[in-house]
Amino acid sequence: TQLLEQSPQFLSIQEGENLTVYCNSSSVFSSLQWYRQEPGEGPVLLVTVVTGGEVKKLKRLTFQFGDARKDSSLHITAAQPGDTGLYLCAGVDNYGQNFVFGPGTRLSVLP
Amino acid sequence: EAGVAQSPRYKIIEKRQSVAFWCNPISGHATLYWYQQILGQGPKLLIQFQNNGVVDDSQLPKDRFSAERLKGVDSTLKIQPAKLEDSAVYLCASSFSSGRIDEQFFGPGTRLTVL
Repeated sequence: TQLLEQSPQFLSIQEGENLTVYCNSSSVFSSLQWYRQEPGEGPVLLVTVVTGGEVKKLKRLTFQFGDARKDSSLHITAAQPGDTGLYLCAGVDNYGQNFVFGPGTRLSVLP
Repeated sequence: EAGVAQSPRYKIIEKRQSVAFWCNPISGHATLYWYQQILGQGPKLLIQFQNNGVVDDSQLPKDRFSAERLKGVDSTLKIQPAKLEDSAVYLCASSFSSGRIDEQFFGPGTRLTVL
């Protein structure tokens, strides 16, 4: 059983479109991180959210941590081909014991 | 600043053979992680070192996997003997301290294929 679920599993869109991907759990997390991984490379940290309801913006990317700290979303505005990659959420459970990654959403932005 | 280095980048072996991976973390980073990423899945933590001590190896299959971090710098991960299901990308990461939400910097990984 995955501690973190991500949806959709795959997403293919045209350049300029907006999109949202989700990270959900039945458990409470003390913090969540979003990473992007490109083929042949390791994941790169995009953001860390620690407070329920927190919203962080990174250029065209908006990250939100759910009020109950069980879910998070990543919204990309006006997607570009350079946004293509595997988006992974990762978090520490509320007991501070386990750091786990979700299975990822594979995004493809077509020019 | 140099990133996390890993070698080899690719390795193909037959089942029951042994294999070793090497990682050199970012200079000054006390914490080093080894992850296994199976195709289509997110990375799974195998072992975490703080300097040269093990912090968490709860998901390391200790009957066949071993890891060491001599002198608190470089690390090696070994599989002996390998099984088909060990085919995966093995990622090494490092962070400045051991906080669970500290930014982890990942290497490019070693892609292992077990035939």
